[in-house]
Amino acid sequence: DTEVTQTPKHLVMGMTNKKSLKCEQHMGHRAMYWYKQKAKKPPELMFVYSYEKLSINESVPSRFSPECPNSSLLNLHLHALQPEDSALYLCASSYYIGTSEAFFGQGTRLTVV
Amino acid sequence: GQQLNQSPQSMFIQEGEDVSMNCTSSSIFNTWLWYKQDPGEGPVLLIALYKAGELTSNGRLTAQFGITRKDSFLNISASIPSDVGIYFCAGRLYMEYGNKLVFGAGTILRVKS
Repeated sequence: DTEVTQTPKHLVMGMTNKKSLKCEQHMGHRAMYWYKQKAKKPPELMFVYSYEKLSINESVPSRFSPECPNSSLLNLHLHALQPEDSALYLCASSYYIGTSEAFFGQGTRLTVV
Repeated sequence: GQQLNQSPQSMFIQEGEDVSMNCTSSSIFNTWLWYKQDPGEGPVLLIALYKAGELTSNGRLTAQFGITRKDSFLNISASIPSDVGIYFCAGRLYMEYGNKLVFGAGTILRVKS
């Protein structure tokens, strides 16, 4: 199993809503990542978790709140988002934080209205 | 900011032609990765390079890690319609507080059948 599974695939939310994005992997990877990607742009790193602890926060606004409940799951809680936060949100994982090969999920297409 | 320069920005080629794209940087990277992303999907890892001078193939794809560790190229031989997509190079950058993947801006490949 070399899959990173993200749900939902699409999400439309209002600016006052609270929603969560979910990511799951069963490859035994101990590093998990959230990226944000705008159309025709490269992915931009948001957060890195290593052994279920937050390792890197790339100065992401507090309206994005990550959570790693166990080694297989990664959540991204969303609250009071802005329309400019609309993007493809990608989850990725790798064996360890120092391991180069990162495997990506299909992403969640988020639209904030 | 962006630390990888990827070129060309886009290509429109005939089916059957060979394709070449490259990434350069002013920074030294220990690892180079090449990803392909189809519309609405997450990036898929094509090739990973770990040593300066390394030349690696994956089917019709060939990639090389530059001797100076500041560049890499990807070649696609005998292109077919399903090669259409965005190709990203990525390098692993080691910093004081950890390490992260840095992405190039991407090369959009369009193939005329």
